[in-house]
Amino acid sequence: DADVTQTPRNRITKTGKRIMLECSQTKGHDRMYWYRQDPGLGLRLIYYSFDVKDINKGEISDGYSVSRQAQAKFSLSLESAIPNQTALYFCATSDSRGATTKLFFGSGTQLSVL
Amino acid sequence: AQSVAQPEDQVNVAEGNPLTVKCTYSVSGNPYLFWYVQYPNRGLQFLLKYITGDNLVKGSYGFEAEFNKSQTSFHLKKPSALVSDSALYFCAVRGPTGANNLFFGTGTRLTVIP
Repeated sequence: DADVTQTPRNRITKTGKRIMLECSQTKGHDRMYWYRQDPGLGLRLIYYSFDVKDINKGEISDGYSVSRQAQAKFSLSLESAIPNQTALYFCATSDSRGATTKLFFGSGTQLSVL
Repeated sequence: AQSVAQPEDQVNVAEGNPLTVKCTYSVSGNPYLFWYVQYPNRGLQFLLKYITGDNLVKGSYGFEAEFNKSQTSFHLKKPSALVSDSALYFCAVRGPTGANNLFFGTGTRLTVIP
C-alpha cells in the first residue's frame, strides 16, 4: 500500500467549478505539502502545513485553499477552477524529527480544467 | 532567496557510458541540496542529499553527486548508465533557515539509449 495516497488520480472539470483534491498518509509524518508540476517549470509549492494548526502559503497560493483535517489528511481546494490550473498536483510529507527535509510524494493527481 | 537551476532540459547518453545531470544553486547560508527522480506516472523519489561533510555524496541506484562550493554546483553522476535510469530528474534546495520546504529546479529528462 502506498504511504502517501492521493485521490482522485485524474480529474476533468469545467471552468468555475469547485474541486477538492485529497491526500492521506500512513507515514506518521507531521508535515504535509501541496505542489503543482507544469512542463518546463518544475514543481512549485502551493501550501504547506507543519501540523494541524499550522498552515502556510507557498509560492503560488492564489486561487487555492487547503484544509488539514487531521495529521494524516491534507486537502487542496480550487474554489473556482480556471484553465491555467490544469497541472499535475502532488502531495508530499516529511518528518520534522528528521535532520533534513526529505520529502515523500504521492503518485499525483492530473487535473484538467476545460 | 534559495533557488536551483538545471541548464539542460534533456540529456541523452548511451547505455554503459557515464552520465552527468547538471545543477547549480543560489542560497543564503549553508546549502541543503537534494536530487529526486520521477519515473512515468509516479511521484518523485528521493535519490540523495548533501548537508555537510564529504563533497561526493552517494545515493540510491548507484547515483552520486558532487558538491562544488566554488562553482555553486551539485551535479548528479553515474559511472555507467542503464536504460532503466531514463526518467525526469530534479535538483532541489531547502528553503530559508527555519523553513522545511524545498525549491525545485525545472527538471532534466534523461534518456539512456540502448
